This record gives sequence, C-alpha cells and structure tokens, in this order.
Amino acid sequence: DTEVTQTPKHLVMGMTNKKSLKCEQHMGHRAMYWYKQKAKKPPELMFVYSYEKLSINESVPSRFSPECPNSSLLNLHLHALQPEDSALYLCASSQVHLSGNTIYFGEGSWLTVV
Amino acid sequence: GEDVEQSLFLSVREGDSSVINCTYTDSSSTYLYWYKQEPGAGLQLLTYIFSNMDMKQDQRLTVLLNKKDKHLSLRIADTQTGDSAIYFCAETGNTPLVFGKGTRLSVIA
Repeated sequence: DTEVTQTPKHLVMGMTNKKSLKCEQHMGHRAMYWYKQKAKKPPELMFVYSYEKLSINESVPSRFSPECPNSSLLNLHLHALQPEDSALYLCASSQVHLSGNTIYFGEGSWLTVV
Repeated sequence: GEDVEQSLFLSVREGDSSVINCTYTDSSSTYLYWYKQEPGAGLQLLTYIFSNMDMKQDQRLTVLLNKKDKHLSLRIADTQTGDSAIYFCAETGNTPLVFGKGTRLSVIA
C-alpha cells in the first residue's frame, strides 16, 4: 500500500479565514513533504519534515504554517492567504529524507482563495 | 542550481509508441523518476531508475538512461487514450527532488 491521503480535496477560503489541510500516511515513512503546484507548472517544494522535525523550509511565507503531530500526520495551517496562493497543495512521504528514497504523493488539495 | 528539461508537448496515435525525453544537469543524480499526472489529480509514481542502470522495463514502460549525456527517456508501448496526461521527469542527488516542467502527452484515437 503506497497511499498518501489528503483532506479536503477542495477548499475555498476568504483572505481572513483560518483553515487547515491534512495529510496522512500509514506506510511507516519518517519523511513528509508539502509541495505547491500552480496550473501548468511542476510541483515546488515548500516544507520537509524528517522524524517529525522541520528540516527544510523553502522560504515559505509565514501565512503557511506546517505541523507534524506524529509520524503519520502532517498538517498545513493557512491564515491570511492571498488570491495568488490558490493552487494544488500536494502532500508526499518517503521512508526517510535521503537521496534515492522514493517520494509518494497524495491526490492533493485544491485551494481557492477569494 | 540543478535543472531538468523536457519538451512540453507530445501527440501520438492510439496504438503507437510514445517516447518522452528528459535531460538533467546534476552529475550527482542517484535516482531518476517518472511521475504521471492526470487532469485534476495528484502525482502518480510510474517508475524510477538508479543511476548505475541503463535500462529498466516494466510492462509497457521502458526507461533508458544515458548517464554520460545525462539523458533519460520513457517509452510507452501501445499507447492508449488513458495514457493522456502530463509526465514529469524528476531527479534527486544531493538536493531534494527536482522536477522538469512536464510533457503533456495527447493520444489521438
């Protein structure tokens, strides 16, 4: 089973709202990732968690706040977003965060900021 | 920084073979991947190849790697309409996964 589950599938939020995206995997993976994908573009790395600790933040604005409550769960808290933040947000996981560890992606959460 | 290049579009007739090409610059690449993304969906891992291999076959998919030229290709035999999607080449070496811009494959019935 190589499944990464993301909820919600679609989210519409206003610029003053606070919402969260959730991600879950039960493959025993110890590395989890958030990527952002705009239309017709490749995914861009936002955050990497390794053993529940944040190991990479690709200079993401603080209106995006990741959280890893345990080794199976990864959240992305959203607050005061801008319309240009509308995108597909992809969660992914791998056994560990090392070169050569295959990264498995979820189906994504489509976010629209109005 | 590391770069991965792909042609943006490919159109083939149903039943023909498709070949999607990719070049990369990172000489320390260890694994190279092909992901498929259908409209409205996430990324599905199709296949990957380790850098000390030059070919990998998996049913209709054949991956060829020319490490000297830093060239990777994905051949899909007997292409079907369900193969229509965007195909991303990606590599990892000393950096997190680096994606190409994706090749949009259109299959004409």
